[in-house]
Amino acid sequence: AQSVTQLGSHVSVSEGALVLLRCNYSSSVPPYLFWYVQYPNQGLQLLLKYTSAATLVKGINGFEAEFKKSETSFHLTKPSAHMSDAAEYFCAVSGDGGSQGNLIFGKGTKLSVKP
Amino acid sequence: DAGITQSPRHKVTETGTPVTLRCHQTENHRYMYWYRQDPGHGLRLIHYSYGVKDTDKGEVSDGYSVSRSKTEDFLLTLESATSSQTSVYFCAITGTPNRQETQYFGPGTRLLVL
Repeated sequence: AQSVTQLGSHVSVSEGALVLLRCNYSSSVPPYLFWYVQYPNQGLQLLLKYTSAATLVKGINGFEAEFKKSETSFHLTKPSAHMSDAAEYFCAVSGDGGSQGNLIFGKGTKLSVKP
Repeated sequence: DAGITQSPRHKVTETGTPVTLRCHQTENHRYMYWYRQDPGHGLRLIHYSYGVKDTDKGEVSDGYSVSRSKTEDFLLTLESATSSQTSVYFCAITGTPNRQETQYFGPGTRLLVL
């Protein structure tokens, strides 16, 4: 069975500081991993995804994530936070295939950026 | 942006009344999903469809039914709404069931059951 744990429901950083959002996964099959961002009152938008092509994945808006199999992690980082990064971030892992391509989501991490 | 619309965007209803939410897509994608989003739970799969008239249950399907009579429309029905179904509902679509395929999400429907 697949599961995702996001450590920290709220993270606060200062503008210009490093952003680190943590995601650990459990998967009974080779994992495919996703990070989505949700701005207030909007749907989810894909930031980046890991599909086994490369362990360091670059996404939109300067975000990147590194897949570490030994640590079962897929943490999201951005070197310098911007006010516009304030949003909720969700890590997700693909189902095992038995559910026709669904995603299993973590509980989300709300990022606040202080001026 | 993927062509996904959801209607209504906001709804307030009373316990015991039926409610239908609509997801409409213009991408001709075969796979469509309904999720609910609740604080502290992330998103959870309610039902999904893998083609016209082909649907199946997800993790939290109790109290919900779905229908898909056309490729572009996927309906979610709460037969008799309860307060526990107060939530934000998202529709998602994808072209294939491949595990690495990206799902694209609609803007959501905020439902309040009084």
